[in-house]
Amino acid sequence: AQSVTQLGSHVSVSEGALVLLRCNYSSSVPPYLFWYVQYPNQGLQLLLKYTSAATLVKGINGFEAEFKKSETSFHLTKPSAHMSDAAEYFCAVSPRGFKTIFGAGTRLFVKA
Amino acid sequence: DAGVTQSPTHLIKTRGQQVTLRCSPKSGHDTVSWYQQALGQGPQFIFQYYEEEERQRGNFPDRFSGHQYPNYSSELNVNALLLGDSALYLCASSPQLAGGGEQYFGPGTRLTVT
Repeated sequence: AQSVTQLGSHVSVSEGALVLLRCNYSSSVPPYLFWYVQYPNQGLQLLLKYTSAATLVKGINGFEAEFKKSETSFHLTKPSAHMSDAAEYFCAVSPRGFKTIFGAGTRLFVKA
Repeated sequence: DAGVTQSPTHLIKTRGQQVTLRCSPKSGHDTVSWYQQALGQGPQFIFQYYEEEERQRGNFPDRFSGHQYPNYSSELNVNALLLGDSALYLCASSPQLAGGGEQYFGPGTRLTVT
């Protein structure tokens, strides 16, 4: 069975500070892993994905994530937060492109 | 290129009623998945349609049903609405044979059951 745990329902950072959103997964088969972002009253937008190629994945808007199999983690980072990064972020796991399981989400607040 | 579109954007229904939500996938996509996102939670997988058939289903009762048309558009039907069905319903499309697993989401339909 697949599952996703996002550590921290809320994360607050200052503008210009490092963003780190944590995600741990469980999967019985090699998974695809994703990070999505959701702005208020909108659908989800794909930030980046891991599909068993490079373990360090670069996405849009300066975000990146590193797949660590030994730690079953796929944490999302951005070196310098912008006010526009304030949103809800979801980590998701998919066993080779089928049923996608989402985490509960982490709301990112960015302080001026 | 239009992305995934959903209609209506908002809907208010009464307990016991039935509702139909509609989704048009992104151009070139043949697979549609539906998700329920309750307030403050992540999306929960309802089911997926490909070639006009339900291919996978999440842990939702039979009150939730769907349909996919030959043009790949899809409907989600919910019967005998309960207060707990109030949520944002998201449609996502993907190309089945392309692999990669990523999905493109529509803006959602906000359903309120009173």
